Amino acid sequence: DQQVKQNSPSLSVQEGRISILNCDYTNSMFDYFLWYKKYPAEGPTFLISISSIKDKNEDGRFTVFLNKSAKHLSLHIVPSQPGDSAVYFCATTGAGSYQLTFGKGTKLSVIP
Amino acid sequence: EAQVTQNPRYLITVTGKKLTVTCSQNMNHEYMSWYRQDPGLGLRQIYYSMNVEVTDKGDVPEGYKVSRKEKRNFPLILESPSPNQTSLYFCATIRGRGLQGGVGSYEQYFGPGTRLTVT
Repeated sequence: DQQVKQNSPSLSVQEGRISILNCDYTNSMFDYFLWYKKYPAEGPTFLISISSIKDKNEDGRFTVFLNKSAKHLSLHIVPSQPGDSAVYFCATTGAGSYQLTFGKGTKLSVIP
Repeated sequence: EAQVTQNPRYLITVTGKKLTVTCSQNMNHEYMSWYRQDPGLGLRQIYYSMNVEVTDKGDVPEGYKVSRKEKRNFPLILESPSPNQTSLYFCATIRGRGLQGGVGSYEQYFGPGTRLTVT
């Protein structure tokens, strides 16, 4: 049973437009959420995170939104750049735990 | 420079030949973990370690062993590799200390990956 779902395997966006990547989770005990970015032939790198006490966290072009009632989070990238083309994983964990549960990833392609 | 290193980066082996993939970190992190990445399945945790001499199974531990004799190293051992263990493997670390360590405490630092092919 998948606890973290990224229902879009891929997404294509024009350069300069907004990219919105979505993630749904089922376990209400999850209270910390992270996004990772992965280029081919490299390990995932941390991008941005949010704790359950917030509903929004912003870092430059990247904003993560959390809707706890819907058990849904999203990553907004504005404006999108060709260098953002990568696979994006969302991950979650519960209080006091360091075990991250990952989604299957969404491949973002930003078209120049 | 903060680093997680893995060796080898690429390995082709045959069924049944024991192998070890090493993982080393220079950040003094308590928590270390191994993942495998397969197409359509994302990242799945194999084993993790909360500290020296403390290891536990993740979601897909079958066919793997680990050890944590010292804080910086966390090798992944395949005693008798099989073709279904062909995958991309990542080692990762977390600083630990929970929320008291700040919001960065849950961020994982990943190694560059090891591409394993078992024929």
